[in-house]
Amino acid sequence: EDKVVQSPLSLVVHEGDTVTLNCSYEVTNFRSLLWYKQEKKAPTFLFMLTSSGIEKKSGRLSSILDKKELFSILNITATQTGDSAVYLCAGKGGGTYKYIFGTGTRLKVLA
Amino acid sequence: NAGVTQTPKFRVLKTGQSMTLLCAQDMNHEYMYWYRQDPGMGLRLIHYSVGEGTTAKGEVPDGYNVSRLKKQNFLLGLESAAPSQTSVYFCASSRDAESNQPQHFGDGTRLSIL
Repeated sequence: EDKVVQSPLSLVVHEGDTVTLNCSYEVTNFRSLLWYKQEKKAPTFLFMLTSSGIEKKSGRLSSILDKKELFSILNITATQTGDSAVYLCAGKGGGTYKYIFGTGTRLKVLA
Repeated sequence: NAGVTQTPKFRVLKTGQSMTLLCAQDMNHEYMYWYRQDPGMGLRLIHYSVGEGTTAKGEVPDGYNVSRLKKQNFLLGLESAAPSQTSVYFCASSRDAESNQPQHFGDGTRLSIL
């Protein structure tokens, strides 16, 4: 059965800290791994990763995929209170409608 | 620049009442989805549609029905609401199955069943 597991479940850090969020996956005919940020409303898309070893970067956020070991990490450097959110990871197989979501990591950044 | 729009945003129902949640997207996406999100459970797929006039069950379809009469709209119905259906409901759309495109989500509907 396809599954995506995220760790840790929750994390509390202080502004300026660096955090690493983990996502491991088992997805049939794997094609892509997606990261979303969810504040109070809709999950908003951050990154999609399809190839191993290539880092996707946007400002202080970056993500990398390891297709051999079946995991991805999301790094946030110099965290700010605005980074407080639930971060969702999802895996997608090829030729399928299905996105398999993890339960999310709840990040709280304290001022 | 609407994207995915869900109505209503909040609703309180009594057990046994019925209601319909509406989702509309303006991106000409083929695929549409209804999820529910509960604490500690992540996003769970209720029903999905791969095109106008077609629907299929996801992982938690019981107690829900859907319809996709128009490509841009995907309706989720609760025929007889139960307290276990108290949740936040998200609609999403994506272009298709083959392209590596992310899903786009609506802002959610918070539904409470008393």
